[in-house]
Amino acid sequence: QLQLQESGPGLVKPSETLSLTCTVSGGSISSSSYYWGWIRQPPGKGLEWIGSIYYSGSTYYNPSLKSRVTISVDTSKNQFSLKLSSVTAADTAVYYCLRGFDYWGQGTLVTVSS
Amino acid sequence: QSVLTQPPSASGTPGQRVTISCSGSSSNIGSNYVYWYQQLPGTAPKLLIYSNNQRPSGVPDRFSGSKSGTSASLAISGLRSEDEADYYCAAWDDSLSGHVVFGGGTKLTVL
Repeated sequence: QLQLQESGPGLVKPSETLSLTCTVSGGSISSSSYYWGWIRQPPGKGLEWIGSIYYSGSTYYNPSLKSRVTISVDTSKNQFSLKLSSVTAADTAVYYCLRGFDYWGQGTLVTVSS
Repeated sequence: QSVLTQPPSASGTPGQRVTISCSGSSSNIGSNYVYWYQQLPGTAPKLLIYSNNQRPSGVPDRFSGSKSGTSASLAISGLRSEDEADYYCAAWDDSLSGHVVFGGGTKLTVL
C-alpha cells in the first residue's frame, strides 16, 4: 500500500523559505508515470493546489504561487520536496503531499510567525 | 475566489438523495476529467470519484459522479449521518501552461 508522509518545520518566520519533504513508501517514485504534488489548506478554508512534478521532472505550478515555488524530486531517497520562498502569514496552512489525485499524506501544519 | 464554483452548503435527511454541483469552464471541466473529494473534520481529503464518474475501490456505490459540458455533479443516495463532511471538486485546467483548480467546497449537513 502506497504511503506518503510529510516532514519539515512546523514554524517558519516571515520572509523566510518554507521547506517540506514528502517521503514515499510502498512504491517507487520513479518507476511509474505519476504526478507528485503539493496542496495546502489554510485553517478553516478550502483546498489550494500548489504544484506538481512529473516522474520525468517536468513541473507545473499554481500561477499565483509560481514565482515563489520550487518542487523537486530525489529518486535516490524516494522523496520529493517543496520550497516556498518569502512566506507571509497568508501561507499558514496544512500542507499535503500527494500522488496524482489519489494518494495523500496526512498533512502537516506550517505556521508562519515571528 | 475559486475557479470552480460549488454551493457553499447542502443538506438532506437520512435516506435522501443529495446532489452537489461544480461549475467550471471550457479550459477545465469542459476538456478534462473531474475529481471529487470528501473531507471529514481533521482529516486529509479522500478521493471519492475520479475520471468524472469512476469510484476507487472501497467507495460505496451510493456515491456517483457525472459531467455535462462545463459542469459536473456529485450525487449521494441513501444519505447517512457519516456523510456529513466537506466535499470538493477538482480538475486540470489547460490555461496558463496547465494547473489544477479546485472548487471552494460544499459543507454537507445531514439533518
